[in-house]
Amino acid sequence: AQSVTQLGSHVSVSEGALVLLRCNYSSSVPPYLFWYVQYPNQGLQLLLKYTSAATLVKGINGFEAEFKKSETSFHLTKPSAHMSDAAEYFCASGGGADGLTFGKGTHLIIQP
Amino acid sequence: DTGVSQDPRHKITKRGQNVTFRCDPISEHNRLYWYRQTLGQGPEFLTYFQNEAQLEKSRLLSDRFSAERPKGSFSTLEIQRTEQGDSAMYLCASSLQGGLQETQYFGPGTRLLVL
Repeated sequence: AQSVTQLGSHVSVSEGALVLLRCNYSSSVPPYLFWYVQYPNQGLQLLLKYTSAATLVKGINGFEAEFKKSETSFHLTKPSAHMSDAAEYFCASGGGADGLTFGKGTHLIIQP
Repeated sequence: DTGVSQDPRHKITKRGQNVTFRCDPISEHNRLYWYRQTLGQGPEFLTYFQNEAQLEKSRLLSDRFSAERPKGSFSTLEIQRTEQGDSAMYLCASSLQGGLQETQYFGPGTRLLVL
């Protein structure tokens, strides 16, 4: 069974600082990995996905993630945080008939 | 492409009542998923349709939960004899069949409160 672990339920950074949200996966087969963002009272929006074509994946809003098989990680980064980045971020694995398996989420707080 | 829509957005009901939620997927998408999200948690997969066939339903939380997609377009999720523990956000997602790396697009969700 696949599982996803997000380290840190809350992350606080200053506006303009580096954003780093951590995700580790557990999978017995090559994983399909996703990052979604959820704003209050809204559904989930896809930020980016890993499809094995490249280990460094670029997404929307300046976010990117690097797949590291040796570390079973898929951490999300953004060089410079903006106030509008404040939201809940979810790492997910899987798909198809088994659905997506989500981590518990990381709440990103941006300090002015 | 108007996105995935869900109706209602909010539902308040009394314990023991039945509720039904509707999901309209993106028009050309043949796959449809239902998830439940409780406070402070990530979404939890419930069930999956490919066209009108429900190919995975073992993850539905109990026999009080059922889902249909009669014509392969919109879907409904019904909860019978609601309990306070059913209070959650119910999310629908759709995708176009294309392997495991296909993207699921989520609707805004229906927030259920059981009193």
